[in-house]
Amino acid sequence: GEDVEQSLFLSVREGDSSVINCTYTDSSSTYLYWYKQEPGAGLQLLTYIFSNMDMKQDQRLTVLLNKKDKHLSLRIADTQTGDSAIYFCAEIPGANNLFFGTGTRLTVIP
Amino acid sequence: GAVVSQHPSRVICKSGTSVKIECRSLDFQATTMFWYRQFPKKSLMLMATSNEGSKATYEQGVEKDKFLINHASLTLSTLTVTSAHPEDSSFYICSARDVTGKSNQPQHFGDGTRLSIL
Repeated sequence: GEDVEQSLFLSVREGDSSVINCTYTDSSSTYLYWYKQEPGAGLQLLTYIFSNMDMKQDQRLTVLLNKKDKHLSLRIADTQTGDSAIYFCAEIPGANNLFFGTGTRLTVIP
Repeated sequence: GAVVSQHPSRVICKSGTSVKIECRSLDFQATTMFWYRQFPKKSLMLMATSNEGSKATYEQGVEKDKFLINHASLTLSTLTVTSAHPEDSSFYICSARDVTGKSNQPQHFGDGTRLSIL
């Protein structure tokens, strides 16, 4: 079945770049997504990338996709304390709903 | 952008109570809405897919009679946790996809409902 894996924790200092990694097993997804979840809140769509793209940049966010290795990453430049949250990568394999990774808890140290 | 409103945001009630959670798409129509459950420090687990005008599709292991889903209109789906017990305490999140979008377009999420059963 589908499997989406992320490391559980990441700590960075304010102002540094954060890189959150994700690996997935199903290569049929047309889009791959990054969602952000702040404490006690729902999920906010941060960005998504079409599967035939290698990179997508959106302000401080850069998404890299290595389809051959089934590896997705999210880079946050100039990380701020407000970026502290849990970040989920997600894909839609053959089924019609999202399949989420385990989430990476990003802690930004002032 | 698209907004999904989920209500209530928090519920604390006694064991045996039934709790209804509403999920509304505010500025778009959604033929399909999804209900997720999130355990502490865990990822989201899809519970069921709610289809407007028809029965919901439940994931394996989710009790249909325990988690009643109704999707009576293109903008509203409800999840009722019947006779809730402490093990039902969790964070429940709904999501919706714009009916005009393709199946792999992003889902928009509500802010979640934290259910605590005493």
